[in-house]
Amino acid sequence: DAGVIQSPRHEVTEMGQEVTLRCKPISGHDYLFWYRQTMMRGLELLIYFNNNVPIDDSGMPEDRFSAKMPNASFSTLKIQPSEPRDSAVYFCASSLTGLGLAGSRFFGPGTRLTVL
Amino acid sequence: TQLLEQSPQFLSIQEGENLTVYCNSSSVFSSLQWYRQEPGEGPVLLVTVVTGGEVKKLKRLTFQFGDARKDSSLHITAAQPGDTGLYLCAGPSGNQFYFGTGTSLTVIP
Repeated sequence: DAGVIQSPRHEVTEMGQEVTLRCKPISGHDYLFWYRQTMMRGLELLIYFNNNVPIDDSGMPEDRFSAKMPNASFSTLKIQPSEPRDSAVYFCASSLTGLGLAGSRFFGPGTRLTVL
Repeated sequence: TQLLEQSPQFLSIQEGENLTVYCNSSSVFSSLQWYRQEPGEGPVLLVTVVTGGEVKKLKRLTFQFGDARKDSSLHITAAQPGDTGLYLCAGPSGNQFYFGTGTSLTVIP
């Protein structure tokens, strides 16, 4: 398996623009997670899906952020409109189960987002 | 306030030295995982410890889970430049999964 695939790897955009990040999880993994990582706040969970259904989106900063998972092999995280404070590395991860021993997260390489 | 606090936050050592990093919490975890994140990449799982007092070895890395399952440590023997990275502990407590604050390790050749 190729692992978790994310695109783009780098995104530079201007404030107010729409940004869409993409993720392909590992085949057979039922859980998909979106994380954001910054120096100040570390790794933060934004939202996670189980079998394509959003389970917990309490980490989504505000209404400018939205995430979808239309099928088991694809998810998007959209920011509209983007702001400079959204600059961070965004990771997608997948796992066989959400919690417990089997809940090991497999991370993608991340998307480094810079909003000017 | 982070549920999993790691120390030290930053560590810079010479190649060949030994080091220990710590992961502490006031809450009980059913298991703890350690990840290493290299620059420009996502975190990669190193090990999972499940039983209180458990010790696991992975080549020069030794992981220990506290008896009360509230803390864990990672000891690296004879550190090498390839050990450089961000070390994160993580685990489930209650119905949530948490990541620690991280220890950034730099091993100088």
